[in-house]
Amino acid sequence: GAVVSQHPSRVICKSGTSVKIECRSLDFQATTMFWYRQFPKKSLMLMATSNEGSKATYEQGVEKDKFLINHASLTLSTLTVTSAHPEDSSFYICSAHKGLAGDGSSGELFFGEGSRLTVL
Amino acid sequence: AQSVTQPDIHITVSEGASLELRCNYSYGATPYLFWYVQSPGQGLQLLLKYFSGDTLVQGIKGFEAEFKRSQSSFNLRKPSVHWSDAAEYFCALNTGFQKLVFGTGTRLLVSP
Repeated sequence: GAVVSQHPSRVICKSGTSVKIECRSLDFQATTMFWYRQFPKKSLMLMATSNEGSKATYEQGVEKDKFLINHASLTLSTLTVTSAHPEDSSFYICSAHKGLAGDGSSGELFFGEGSRLTVL
Repeated sequence: AQSVTQPDIHITVSEGASLELRCNYSYGATPYLFWYVQSPGQGLQLLLKYFSGDTLVQGIKGFEAEFKRSQSSFNLRKPSVHWSDAAEYFCALNTGFQKLVFGTGTRLLVSP
């Protein structure tokens, strides 16, 4: 199998500060990674698609200036929550695509363990 | 519109009993469907997936799912549930280029 690791798993920060969450594919290269947000007892909501070497593609309603995504290498994508507020508190999950670039159907997504952000 | 519906918010099953979790989808093209399991505070683990071919798909941990195009369904089944199966289960639809639309999830509780 393939492993995707997120760090930190838990983070508590004060309102107004910025928090960076890392998503790493440990044993494969991922040209595409995805960031999801999960509210308590709710489903996962896709926030953005992170593409290595290019700008992330954000879903409708997601503030790109609030949630900065950088896919600096084929094994690392970062999500930075800028000027965090209590309403940003959530469980953030990343996934990495293991397959051919541009592959729309096959290949497989591997998910990280998630990062729980609490903004005080 | 593309959507996934899991009509059961939570289900309680006795250990050793059979399980069926429902999933219905709405999609205008050939669906690529997945079932994931999430333990508390954890990420998602893929149980099984359907791309094409045999409509009965076998997965890990003894799970299987059957794709029924006529009913737009992809229900997850297990013949005998173990206490360790208690978790949240998500059905998901690939809407293209690995972008997944998830259902709202079904929480499985296993009673002794």
